[in-house]
Amino acid sequence: QKEVEQNSGPLSVPEGAIASLNCTYSDRVSQSFFWYRQYSGKSPELIMSIYSNGDKEDGRFTAQLNKASQYVSLLIRDSQPSDSATYLCAVRGGSGNTGKLIFGQGTTLQVKP
Amino acid sequence: DAEITQSPRHKITETGRQVTLACHQTWNHNNMFWYRQDLGHGLRLIHYSYGVQDTNKGEVSDGYSVSRSNTEDLPLTLESAASSQTSVYFCASSDHRPVGFQTQYFGPGTRLLVL
Repeated sequence: QKEVEQNSGPLSVPEGAIASLNCTYSDRVSQSFFWYRQYSGKSPELIMSIYSNGDKEDGRFTAQLNKASQYVSLLIRDSQPSDSATYLCAVRGGSGNTGKLIFGQGTTLQVKP
Repeated sequence: DAEITQSPRHKITETGRQVTLACHQTWNHNNMFWYRQDLGHGLRLIHYSYGVQDTNKGEVSDGYSVSRSNTEDLPLTLESAASSQTSVYFCASSDHRPVGFQTQYFGPGTRLLVL
């Protein structure tokens, strides 16, 4: 079992719809969770971080964390063609003083006009 | 503005040659990381450093080395380049918040082709 799993997609949604991206992780003591967006040929760019159970909203983006079920999700409301990218889920290892992140393989999102 | 840069942005080399990829950040971050990104594998950690003179191996460190002589730079060296090391390489650094809240910021990447 991979430590951080994402469906590679592509996930295709029409413009204006809600895109839902999911990520599961195996380390039960993980504490910090991140969503990065990566456009083709570019570097990953942080869009959301979440540390506590529940929802965190930032503009059109909402991150949801459920530690009991070991999943984190990203909702993108009113999806735009410019949201078309690969979304990487990253998890920080839970125990010890570590700055390392473990990344999922990413989900490719396609927003169709 | 503070930033993180990588050079070269593109590199073609031959099997067996030594190659060094540069990473420079002006945020004065202690933590720096090197990843490679390949189709089907996502981002994989090669080496990382938590400060000057500190280096640690990541999950795919074989054939790579790093050294940290100052806060700003973490060069990545491929001792004897192999075709399997053809990849996109990203450098990252993380900020000064408590470790549980640190965020990693990525450089623009280096595309390396080993022939």
